[in-house]
Amino acid sequence: AQSVTQPDIHITVSEGASLELRCNYSYGATPYLFWYVQSPGQGLQLLLKYFSGDTLVQGIKGFEAEFKRSQSSFNLRKPSVHWSDAAEYFCAVEVPGGFKTIFGAGTRLFVKA
Amino acid sequence: DSGVTQTPKHLITATGQRVTLRCSPRSGDLSVYWYQQSLDQGLQFLIQYYNGEERAKGNILERFSAQQFPDLHSELNLSSLELGDSALYFCASSERTGNGETQYFGPGTRLLVL
Repeated sequence: AQSVTQPDIHITVSEGASLELRCNYSYGATPYLFWYVQSPGQGLQLLLKYFSGDTLVQGIKGFEAEFKRSQSSFNLRKPSVHWSDAAEYFCAVEVPGGFKTIFGAGTRLFVKA
Repeated sequence: DSGVTQTPKHLITATGQRVTLRCSPRSGDLSVYWYQQSLDQGLQFLIQYYNGEERAKGNILERFSAQQFPDLHSELNLSSLELGDSALYFCASSERTGNGETQYFGPGTRLLVL
């Protein structure tokens, strides 16, 4: 069965610094890959998703993610973090033709001034 | 605002009771998903409906059931509640299903079982 690992439970970065959140998945082929963000007290919002093609995907709010097949990874990046980016970030996978989305445990991002 | 509405926002009940959570999907979305989010289990997929029919099941307990009505709104029924059922329950909707659809999440229903 497919699974998603987010190895960092929480990360703290300074405002203006770059950010990389890690995500590894387990699946025999290439699944659909997603990153969602959850602000405190809110539901989840899609940042970006990857199906196929260009392995660098651009999303909303200045985020991007890179799919690396050889490493089964889909890491999320942002060149300069803003205080409003403090939230929880979830990586997720969906098997093509399947109907359920498996979420990672999430990484909570703290931004310090 | 995702366009997905969930009621109630908060629910406090006692062990052994039964509750119903309601979800209205975005206009035009045929697919509804239910998730449970708790501190120890994270975000767990429970069940999905597409145009009134059950499409996929995840880690949903037998005490829990759901349905999607002809007007496409959905209800999640939780019965014989236990303390461990306390969690945030999210509903999400998407236009179609099975092809990496973007899911739009509601604000959630926070359930507290005392």
